[in-house]
Amino acid sequence: QSALTQPRSVSGSPGQSVTISCTGTSSNVGGYNYVSWYQHHPGKAPKLIIYDVNKRPSGVPDRFSGSKSGNTASLTISGLQAEDEADYYCCSYAGSYTFVVFGGGTELTVL
Amino acid sequence: EVQLVESGGGLVQPGGSLSLSCAASGFTFTGYWMSWVRQAPGKGLEWVANINHGGSEKYYVDSVKGRFTISRDNAENSLYLQMNSLRVEDTAVYYCARPLYTSGWAGFEYWGLGTVVTVSS
Repeated sequence: QSALTQPRSVSGSPGQSVTISCTGTSSNVGGYNYVSWYQHHPGKAPKLIIYDVNKRPSGVPDRFSGSKSGNTASLTISGLQAEDEADYYCCSYAGSYTFVVFGGGTELTVL
Repeated sequence: EVQLVESGGGLVQPGGSLSLSCAASGFTFTGYWMSWVRQAPGKGLEWVANINHGGSEKYYVDSVKGRFTISRDNAENSLYLQMNSLRVEDTAVYYCARPLYTSGWAGFEYWGLGTVVTVSS
């Protein structure tokens, strides 16, 4: 059981938008603005796509956006493309003792 | 180009030991904390351990405390994970990961491809 709760799967058609939720507690998501999101294609290295809740690393398209409300963070992917099909993981800082916790991952299918 | 290359995975019996390595290149290794993150089959990612720049501070997830030891050799730009008393539930892909910033926390910017550890009799 992962510390952060994500839907197991989401899907959307090319060009559409999808949102993936990530629910934690006041000890992680709700307590810090250090939520990050990762895109993971099987067999490849995970890729950081959002950090500090809503910032994008250089090179990540602005189709990817992040937000947070209370204990729930969200990743929105707009203008879905075939190459967006992957697993997505959220992660939150959880204090100096626990350090970081991850979600269980969400499989995105582009129909 | 930043590269993290893990090695040392394999099949080991419960109670056995394994030592993982991560060769880092393309950045100033001494400038960053480093971490190990794992993914068990069919499960999500799980942070395992991290170590500060000089190796004097080490932190672990509760499930591996007393069994795993993280270390680094800054002269060799290498990160290590010594895993003892291995359990079936330690079966996972183990990733070496580098944070975005040299201090503070924002996320893991770079990851290796991982090395597979299988604990089974």
